[in-house]
Amino acid sequence: AQTVTQSQPEMSVQEAETVTLSCTYDTSESDYYLFWYKQPPSRQMILVIRQEAYKQQNATENRFSVNFQKAAKSFSLKISDSQLGDAAMYFCAYSGSGGSNYKLTFGKGTLLTVNP
Amino acid sequence: DTGVSQDPRHKITKRGQNVTFRCDPISEHNRLYWYRQTLGQGPEFLTYFQNEAQLEKSRLLSDRFSAERPKGSFSTLEIQRTEQGDSAMYLCASSWGDQPQHFGDGTRLSIL
Repeated sequence: AQTVTQSQPEMSVQEAETVTLSCTYDTSESDYYLFWYKQPPSRQMILVIRQEAYKQQNATENRFSVNFQKAAKSFSLKISDSQLGDAAMYFCAYSGSGGSNYKLTFGKGTLLTVNP
Repeated sequence: DTGVSQDPRHKITKRGQNVTFRCDPISEHNRLYWYRQTLGQGPEFLTYFQNEAQLEKSRLLSDRFSAERPKGSFSTLEIQRTEQGDSAMYLCASSWGDQPQHFGDGTRLSIL
């Protein structure tokens, strides 16, 4: 079974600074997807970024980028120029790419605080 | 695109009662997922529908839980004889093909 581990329960960053959230995963599959989702307090889960395992190039989305190390099974999220609105719980997630069920396996999350 | 809608937002009930939650996915999405999220944890997969067919159920989904998606549109999740351990946020998500899932706001279940 696939597992996702987020070793940082909480992180904090100063506004306008850069922060990196860590994630490792375990799978025996060669093709899969990795995600970072953001969940603000009492609000819905929002997709931040997606990485396809067969792509060597790291995904980027505006101020958000990932460092995908397939051999090490590591998938970290870098947030540049942090903003107050980035404060949220961040979840790393995995899904397989075979078959039709793209169910997500989530880590326990990292609570990000942004200090003004 | 009106997003994924879940109803109710919050349900408070007494232990032993039955509850039913509803999820309306994004209209063109053929895949629908239910997850459960307890405090301090990431969501855990419960069940998955492709159109109207329920194709996978987690072992977390005991026989007190049942889910349906009639005609491949909205979905309902029913919990019979609720227990204290059922207290959680129940999240619904939908997607098209292998595209990322879009989540609803969730239904928070509190068992008295």
